[in-house]
Amino acid sequence: DAGITQSPRHKVTETGTPVTLRCHQTENHRYMYWYRQDPGHGLRLIHYSYGVKDTDKGEVSDGYSVSRSKTEDFLLTLESATSSQTSVYFCAIRTGPMNTEAFFGQGTRLTVV
Amino acid sequence: AQTVTQSQPEMSVQEAETVTLSCTYDTSESDYYLFWYKQPPSRQMILVIRQEAYKQQNATENRFSVNFQKAAKSFSLKISDSQLGDAAMYFCAYRSPRGGGSEKLVFGKGTKLTVNP
Repeated sequence: DAGITQSPRHKVTETGTPVTLRCHQTENHRYMYWYRQDPGHGLRLIHYSYGVKDTDKGEVSDGYSVSRSKTEDFLLTLESATSSQTSVYFCAIRTGPMNTEAFFGQGTRLTVV
Repeated sequence: AQTVTQSQPEMSVQEAETVTLSCTYDTSESDYYLFWYKQPPSRQMILVIRQEAYKQQNATENRFSVNFQKAAKSFSLKISDSQLGDAAMYFCAYRSPRGGGSEKLVFGKGTKLTVNP
């Protein structure tokens, strides 16, 4: 199994504060993704990375930025958290026998009050 | 843009019975991948089964099998001999085979499966 760790697992923060979520992988996978999960919406892609310092936007990228300075770490930053960003955030890597599958971290529940 | 539709927000099944979860998708591509993911209350996303569009044979993983109808753009999941541990949210997902990492997974909104003892 791919080793992928998200931190923190839970966080409560106030509106307007910056928040950074971390995704750490141990197997040198090239592609990493950040999704958010909300009731009635399934999972939606925020940003993804296809290498060190190579990132691009997904379908719900407004209000989020990412960075990948090392292969193993993919950071998601909410520059100024809003209540609409209360969600469960998942990091994923691309893996599998044909490099088509997503393997997910355990998720981070973020509450913005 | 590709879309994935799960028309059943909730389903229930008796333990040991069989249940089928529906998924349809919209795409203009001829080659792609389809997946079913399970999300139990622990919140972990677990890959259940995958299907390559170029393969006519339906994928099977133990008690889980799919009915892939490419022309109809349908990809249903059948769970046989349902167990209490099968209770979860199930998500259908689509991926294009194009390279570069930009081919994201597109998810349906999910089906909540309840297994009754």
